[in-house]
Amino acid sequence: QQPVQSPQAVILREGEDAVINCSSSKALYSVHWYRQKHGEAPVFLMILLKGGEQKGHDKISASFNEKKQQSSLYLTASQLSYSGTYFCGTHNSDQTGANNLFFGTGTRLTVIP
Amino acid sequence: NAGVMQNPRHLVRRRGQEARLRCSPMKGHSHVYWYRQLPEEGLKFMVYLQKENIIDESGMPKERFSAEFPKEGPSILRIQQVVRGDSAAYFCASSPGLETSTDTQYFGPGTRLTVL
Repeated sequence: QQPVQSPQAVILREGEDAVINCSSSKALYSVHWYRQKHGEAPVFLMILLKGGEQKGHDKISASFNEKKQQSSLYLTASQLSYSGTYFCGTHNSDQTGANNLFFGTGTRLTVIP
Repeated sequence: NAGVMQNPRHLVRRRGQEARLRCSPMKGHSHVYWYRQLPEEGLKFMVYLQKENIIDESGMPKERFSAEFPKEGPSILRIQQVVRGDSAAYFCASSPGLETSTDTQYFGPGTRLTVL
């Protein structure tokens, strides 16, 4: 039930863009994106619901394609503060009554000057 | 509004001892989740609790691990007779419980357990 994230790691120069993908073998109801810096707690970024909606704040946005059972996180004009490991957490459509999320293995993003 | 609080932040135990990890959810949140994270790995779900109820413990090892969320006080994850393989970061998250599947989970700073 664990989603698969790609790429596993990416290095960017400040100002470059990146896309992180999250794919599941299960039908998804919602996708939750988090960023975790080393030694710290995961910080919530955004949640996407089925319906193909796209969300964003500042220069970070995401899309959710329920037919393909995948979500993508878009980081544009990256800043040094974007460095960290990005996790997607998924809630499956058949997961009635249970709120827990299944997390991917993470994508380590490093932004260099 | 204080966030999710966990204590202790670091815990060292010898093999065979017991570890007790505490989690106080955000104010107004009635749902608590425990996740385990091994170095360089993702978060693995362990257990989901509401006040006085275990809703889903499908990710919890059958032996030595238990969790509770009493009517009063923090949620506690208890590991008995710890082994070296229990060394990990244990994160607690809480959510308001308003809507299943879209409830946003907010994470605490974690407890890093080291078993010697």
